[in-house]
Amino acid sequence: DGGITQSPKYLFRKEGQNVTLSCEQNLNHDAMYWYRQDPGQGLRLIYYSQIVNDFQKGDIAEGYSVSREKKESFPLTVTSAQKNPTAFYLCASSPPGTSGRGFTDTQYFGPGTRLTVL
Amino acid sequence: GQNIDQPTEMTATEGAIVQINCTYQTSGFNGLFWYQQHAGEAPTFLSYNVLDGLEEKGRFSSFLSRSKGYSYLLLKELQMKDSASYLCAVRVWRGYSTLTFGKGTMLLVSP
Repeated sequence: DGGITQSPKYLFRKEGQNVTLSCEQNLNHDAMYWYRQDPGQGLRLIYYSQIVNDFQKGDIAEGYSVSREKKESFPLTVTSAQKNPTAFYLCASSPPGTSGRGFTDTQYFGPGTRLTVL
Repeated sequence: GQNIDQPTEMTATEGAIVQINCTYQTSGFNGLFWYQQHAGEAPTFLSYNVLDGLEEKGRFSSFLSRSKGYSYLLLKELQMKDSASYLCAVRVWRGYSTLTFGKGTMLLVSP
């Protein structure tokens, strides 16, 4: 079965600790994304990667870091510099679009990781 | 900048029809997506419009008017399991292809 996996589903960390959230996909998608979701807020883009070894900051990248060493994997590190890290984190991936203009196609989401910093 | 507006909450009765509206103001528009999200779960893709008009998929339909910056999601024959948040997202070009999401509309279906 093809899909996107995120682990763990729930994660607890002490304030001041860095934590890495896992995201793996076997859909052979080039583009991968990290979003953060807070109550009453829409999904906000943290980082985006279109291909291996390349990624760009989204709207709220401060306090986060990513790597894209393999096509299948796009881990997100929440650093101690992130002031309000408690949130629901969603990873997504998408295939290339068909318009030939650089747009990616529908984004598909993993099950999410709920991070709580104590 | 991007601005997407949806009602915060809606209620409806099982078996009824409900329309969830979404208005947007954005540059570089290249399509509008609707996702369904149950509490604590990931969003799941429902529909996509890039041209004006109506797209129908079973009990769900989505409409787009690009000139008015307006879309709606129509849910027919509502079921209890349709109680969820419905997210409107606009695809734009910002040096890369990305989605900008509205805050979502929480739909509660009652018996």
